[in-house]
Amino acid sequence: GQQLNQSPQSMFIQEGEDVSMNCTSSSIFNTWLWYKQDPGEGPVLLIALYKAGELTSNGRLTAQFGITRKDSFLNISASIPSDVGIYFCAGRDNAGNMLTFGGGTRLMVKP
Amino acid sequence: EAGVAQSPRYKIIEKRQSVAFWCNPISGHATLYWYQQILGQGPKLLIQFQNNGVVDDSQLPKDRFSAERLKGVDSTLKIQPAKLEDSAVYLCASSPDTGSTEAFFGQGTRLTVV
Repeated sequence: GQQLNQSPQSMFIQEGEDVSMNCTSSSIFNTWLWYKQDPGEGPVLLIALYKAGELTSNGRLTAQFGITRKDSFLNISASIPSDVGIYFCAGRDNAGNMLTFGGGTRLMVKP
Repeated sequence: EAGVAQSPRYKIIEKRQSVAFWCNPISGHATLYWYQQILGQGPKLLIQFQNNGVVDDSQLPKDRFSAERLKGVDSTLKIQPAKLEDSAVYLCASSPDTGSTEAFFGQGTRLTVV
């Protein structure tokens, strides 16, 4: 089946620093999504990307759909303590049905 | 707008017992998903419904897992009999239709099999 490799697995940064994480796929996706999951909650959608090369921002978050359609990255600028959580990438293939998730990046922010 | 509702929030059972989880999606959402999230991993799709029909159940262990969405609204996921490796959070999500990008998740049911 499809696999999404997400890196890094965890990050421990100082408040105010910028963060970057990425996701690579073994197959082509036509949609990339980035979710955040807080403890005891379900994932919440942050950004959706629909076209190769697309760059989309949501506040301090910026994500890009790679031109090969096999990768995506998420940047968080000027991190704050409430950014703590697990960030997941997810993608849909050309069939459009199954949403496959990466393994997650655990972000920890030191005040 | 009410979100995806799941119950129970927590369940502890012994191996070989049966368990059922319930999900009520966002009103009007045609597509419903059940995901299994093992600790430290991303969610893995178990089954996807479009109204009351199954779209994808290729990753559902059908020897012990079953799911239904008889009236195309709420859904139940059952495990019978449970194994230790079924310990996980079971997440339900819904979206307006199969082609919709956004899937909205419930809080999940944390299952512990002892």
